[in-house]
Amino acid sequence: GAGVSQSPSNKVTEKGKDVELRCDPISGHTALYWYRQSLGQGLEFLIYFQGNSAPDKSGLPSDRFSAERTGGSVSTLTIQRTQQEDSAVYLCASSTRAGTNTGELFFGEGSRLTVL
Amino acid sequence: AQSVTQLGSHVSVSEGALVLLRCNYSSSVPPYLFWYVQYPNQGLQLLLKYTTGATLVKGINGFEAEFKKSETSFHLTKPSAHMSDAAEYFCAVRYGGSQGNLIFGKGTKLSVKP
Repeated sequence: GAGVSQSPSNKVTEKGKDVELRCDPISGHTALYWYRQSLGQGLEFLIYFQGNSAPDKSGLPSDRFSAERTGGSVSTLTIQRTQQEDSAVYLCASSTRAGTNTGELFFGEGSRLTVL
Repeated sequence: AQSVTQLGSHVSVSEGALVLLRCNYSSSVPPYLFWYVQYPNQGLQLLLKYTTGATLVKGINGFEAEFKKSETSFHLTKPSAHMSDAAEYFCAVRYGGSQGNLIFGKGTKLSVKP
């Protein structure tokens, strides 16, 4: 597709369940980012991929959070044993290598996670 | 720690009035600076950016921002607000020489009154 695609757009789950969020970046974009957007908290950086490797995963809040990227394309963010404080919008963004240097990111519409 | 501060979580202006959204960063090293806009139920999109060169940069939809090193600021302005400008605006920085993530401010929600 033309833009960054994220699925599901909305996910409601029960506390303690695992969830997977998917991001399909713009074709040819080598860099991929995950951010979390909570009400009143702005955007919180989670993890950054360049190709399939993650040189910066400093933002993952706990070991319940993990992410992988395969084939230099699709990425999955997994949250295990979800907690209510995990409720947020999870945003994915991608960029070219040049965009990685200049910070020009292209964002998806996000996956809204609600943990009951 | 490097940070970005946006003054005012909510700004309200009348249609046709000046829009001024404030952003300050903390660093002794000039960063790359960005403003992103998020319309309701949409992802963020780049409004404008400063990397090097001219300190006054123009973006889409009539917005512009000026990098002022002495004030460590990158305020966003638009001379005349339009109803369609109602959105949330995020200032972001990326420090020179570093790879990876942008650091975002907490956002300013702009309301435009008719």
